Amino acid sequence: SYELTQPPSVSVSPGQTASITCSGDKLGNKFACWYQQKPGQSPVVVIYQDSKRPSGIPERFSGSNSGNTATLTISGTQAMDEADYYCQAWDSSTAVFGGGTKLTVL
Amino acid sequence: QVQLQQSGPGLVKPSQTLSLTCAISGDSVSSNSAAWNWIRQSPSRGLEWLGRTYYRSKWYNDYAVSVKSRITITPDTSKNQFSLQLNSVTPEDTAVYYCARDGEVRFDPWGQGTLVTVSS
Repeated sequence: SYELTQPPSVSVSPGQTASITCSGDKLGNKFACWYQQKPGQSPVVVIYQDSKRPSGIPERFSGSNSGNTATLTISGTQAMDEADYYCQAWDSSTAVFGGGTKLTVL
Repeated sequence: QVQLQQSGPGLVKPSQTLSLTCAISGDSVSSNSAAWNWIRQSPSRGLEWLGRTYYRSKWYNDYAVSVKSRITITPDTSKNQFSLQLNSVTPEDTAVYYCARDGEVRFDPWGQGTLVTVSS
């Protein structure tokens, strides 16, 4: 079965750039999405189709996807961005999620 | 604006059937451009997609291999909602269950989540 691998945790200082990676076999040939989840809340999509931002998502969120790796980049990270982030892709009519990355802003 | 409202019991006994419903507002379960999904989340399994139903001139379903023998997702066009049934549950099925719309290759929005505990 298809797998997506994320680092368990990433730390960043306020105002700096955070990068979260998601690795999977030939992931660049698929569309990648990124979801943000804060404690006690449902996930919210922050990037879809590799690099598109839904309305209402700040411009500091961006995404890329090439080769075997998709990357979520948060520029000028703010304290409110502290959350769990999950990547997701489709493989043969099955949705697959990464294990999640806890972003700490300190 | 699409909204999803989940309902169903939070406690199910082992070997019984877990049943949840997701009511849709702002869209139609019969939409030709959306699919309606169930996803669960637990500390041990993370986010796990369970399956979907969608209409493209006729109804289709896709299910995760891990639950394929036990799951049914059913649309209800009269009430504009869709339902999840998971049979023969065990404590391993304890999780927060979410419904979600899939359109433009993204899950958006998600329901509010329902914690389902499998215990006697």
